[in-house]
Amino acid sequence: RKEVEQDPGPFNVPEGATVAFNCTYSNSASQSFFWYRQDCRKEPKLLMSVYSSGNEDGRFTAQLNRASQYISLLIRDSKLSDSATYLCVVNPPMNYGGATNKLIFGTGTLLAVQP
Amino acid sequence: ETGVTQSPTHLIKTRGQQVTLRCSSQSGHNTVSWYQQALGQGPQFIFQYYREEENGRGNFPPRFSGLQFPNYSSELNVNALELDDSALYLCASSSISSGANVLTFGAGSRLTVL
Repeated sequence: RKEVEQDPGPFNVPEGATVAFNCTYSNSASQSFFWYRQDCRKEPKLLMSVYSSGNEDGRFTAQLNRASQYISLLIRDSKLSDSATYLCVVNPPMNYGGATNKLIFGTGTLLAVQP
Repeated sequence: ETGVTQSPTHLIKTRGQQVTLRCSSQSGHNTVSWYQQALGQGPQFIFQYYREEENGRGNFPPRFSGLQFPNYSSELNVNALELDDSALYLCASSSISSGANVLTFGAGSRLTVL
């Protein structure tokens, strides 16, 4: 089983649609959770951290369910500029040789917002 | 504030050759990590450097090695290149003092091995 698994995609949605991405992780002791965005042939950029209480940033809402080891990202009122690959990212327990930056990335889900 | 810069941006090598990739971390960041991103995959952790020492490594063979310099810049060296080493190599920096696992990535070095 992969450490982080995401919806395979691609997701093709019209402008204004609401789209949800899901992700599961295998290590129940994982400590931090993130969504990164990666545009075509560019570097990943942090979209938002994910907290147990859920958090919102404008049109973006992230949820974490530790019991089910499940993370989600909801994008409301999709814009053409939201077209990108969305990477689900997990930070494993700190006992990994002290490597605080060992982030585990999913393979990403491609979102294409159509006019 | 300057971001993370990497060089070269693109390079082509042949099997068996060696390559050195370079990274300048973001101002104020003292931790550098390297990731390999193959086509269609998410980035995979190679290793991390803090205070000029490797302090964490992913599932990569010893022919992947690195250095961190006193100014926090870093190098990734790959010996005996294989075709499967073709990938985008990403450098990321962070600060231990302010949320070490919030990374700033460079634009990457795209390596093609023929």
